[in-house]
Amino acid sequence: DSGVTQTPKHLITATGQRVTLRCSPRSGDLSVYWYQQSLDQGLQFLIQYYNGEERAKGNILERFSAQQFPDLHSELNLSSLELGDSALYFCASSVDPGETQYFGPGTRLLVL
Amino acid sequence: AQSVTQPDIHITVSEGASLELRCNYSYGATPYLFWYVQSPGQGLQLLLKYFSGDTLVQGIKGFEAEFKRSQSSFNLRKPSVHWSDAAEYFCAVEGDGQNFVFGPGTRLSVLP
Repeated sequence: DSGVTQTPKHLITATGQRVTLRCSPRSGDLSVYWYQQSLDQGLQFLIQYYNGEERAKGNILERFSAQQFPDLHSELNLSSLELGDSALYFCASSVDPGETQYFGPGTRLLVL
Repeated sequence: AQSVTQPDIHITVSEGASLELRCNYSYGATPYLFWYVQSPGQGLQLLLKYFSGDTLVQGIKGFEAEFKRSQSSFNLRKPSVHWSDAAEYFCAVEGDGQNFVFGPGTRLSVLP
């Protein structure tokens, strides 16, 4: 158990819908990272937050957005969902940027 | 920008045999390097990391990795594989802006 929690574990929705994935970092960690894992793209870095501020952006679509709240939990919002958005979404946290990242169990999203 | 290659998509070894998983990276400066393992249906678990210093790094579960700057490699080794080591292994590099770039992964199968 890494100490990073993600909810929900599974999510099934339809194309065009909007969903929110939630992540609670390890106690004391200020940085949160979001990743997408799919069969064709592998593990892709989406976005990083540090202490509430966006710090780095990766291959995140404009239909996706994220934020980190004052209590340091983070949410990833996925809108106008497409079939290709079906994937495993991981959250990771670290004490500071550049430190070891610890991964949550992931949220498996299926878009029908 | 940094990149990671893992030349072997799938490796099969017998239980008790030695293992080496290859990882090559591309990054201009001294990188931070990581190996993660992902068991089926699970999140990613950190096996070991290299930040600086001794180029031979010891990790959990009997794994070690050696950083070779001249070859831009960070290969993962284990002297004797156990059936429970069957999983997907990811090499990652952390570079510009603390962005993590993962390799495509190597799937390890272990024969009894």
